Amino acid sequence: SAVISQKPSRDICQRGTSLTIQCQVDSQVTMMFWYRQQPGQSLTLIATANQGSEATYESGFVIDKFPISRPNLTFSTLTVSNMSPEDSSIYLCSVVFPSGLNTATNEKLFFGSGTQLSVL
Amino acid sequence: AQKITQTQPGMFVQEKEAVTLDCTYDTSDQSYGLFWYKQPSSGEMIFLIYQGSYDEQNATEGRYSLNFQKARKSANLVISASQLGDSAMYFCAMREGGNFNKFYFGSGTKLNVKP
Repeated sequence: SAVISQKPSRDICQRGTSLTIQCQVDSQVTMMFWYRQQPGQSLTLIATANQGSEATYESGFVIDKFPISRPNLTFSTLTVSNMSPEDSSIYLCSVVFPSGLNTATNEKLFFGSGTQLSVL
Repeated sequence: AQKITQTQPGMFVQEKEAVTLDCTYDTSDQSYGLFWYKQPSSGEMIFLIYQGSYDEQNATEGRYSLNFQKARKSANLVISASQLGDSAMYFCAMREGGNFNKFYFGSGTKLNVKP
């Protein structure tokens, strides 16, 4: 199976600063997503990273706060801007690999190792 | 309404015993996929098992099996012969054929395996 590399794995940041998280996949993928997991919570989708165009954000998430880039089919970044302690979470890059079949529902979501962010 | 419901926030099981983690889902799509993921304390999300809505047989992957009851809209994960390394959070997820850009996740179940 392909490798999904996410970095940094963890960081401790000061309030008001920004952090950029990188996600690199060693093969082309059809979809890339960014999730947030607040402490003790489930996963919340932040946005779908679209190759060559603006990301599609979920309700409650905006581009100014979470700018996303996806310059090609194997790489994406998520920036957490103007951080506050409420942004302390695990951020997860996830991808879907093309199955080559007609049905999409069997395509599995695979995750990077996550970025544990703590904001002081 | 919640797309995925996991009603067990925490579960305990004795090592070597079997355990069932519950998951119910809500969809009007005929085509959908159901997934289970494991999240150890390290934070990574590990894919465990997949069940398609049209699959007639329950999915199995080693010690993991999925008890799929379509009429009840349930997709319970069964872990046989529990091991200490199975202690983790477990998430049920669904992908709908009508909106395959989204994966819906449940709130998770924390499994503790006791020696």
